[in-house]
Amino acid sequence: DAKTTQPPSMDCAEGRAANLPCNHSTISGNEYVYWYRQIHSQGPQYIIHGLKNNETNEMASLIITEDRKSSTLILPHATLRDTAVYYCIVRVSDGAGGTSYGKLTFGQGTILTVHP
Amino acid sequence: GAVVSQHPSRVICKSGTSVKIECRSLDFQATTMFWYRQFPKQSLMLMATSNEGSKATYEQGVEKDKFLINHASLTLSTLTVTSAHPEDSSFYICSARDWSLAGVNSYNEQFFGPGTRLTVL
Repeated sequence: DAKTTQPPSMDCAEGRAANLPCNHSTISGNEYVYWYRQIHSQGPQYIIHGLKNNETNEMASLIITEDRKSSTLILPHATLRDTAVYYCIVRVSDGAGGTSYGKLTFGQGTILTVHP
Repeated sequence: GAVVSQHPSRVICKSGTSVKIECRSLDFQATTMFWYRQFPKQSLMLMATSNEGSKATYEQGVEKDKFLINHASLTLSTLTVTSAHPEDSSFYICSARDWSLAGVNSYNEQFFGPGTRLTVL
């Protein structure tokens, strides 16, 4: 699976949009971009994923550049409860099979701190 | 959404004892479950992939005789840390794949448990 690069930490004011970048310049055509977050001492929580089109759900939006070498996770109105470590992961599409089937490889992520 | 539970949520044991951690998918069937370990201020590290009815696949550097994994049913996988030592103290997290969503790339098919905090004295 392709490697990702994220800033180690970011700050955001409560109520403002949080934009978390991720570089994945070696991403392959069959690899999806996934975002998870981990609040302290809890298991990771799925946020959103996409292949090449921008995606939006009730939690966030995912913007993927046209060349797919980078993406941005957007939390439109950050709250204090969004303080967490955010992980950007690229992995082969489900159904690809092989030994990496379903595996998620976590990097160091971005520590997002939302302050009042 | 799909729910994955882990039991116990935290455990303290003496050095040399064995500890079993359970991972259950509560409202879906999971042919594949994954076990991760996370040390303080570090990221999650995949330990092994557990497939129902077959032997687990361990990542490089993970001792299969020390970390015994059993996936006897479509809703339960267990991780047993044998002869635990203080260096095994960590946060152990499982995830489970919903087989009914396999191949449906528009949906997220993998769900994480809340984690188990193991402290070995």
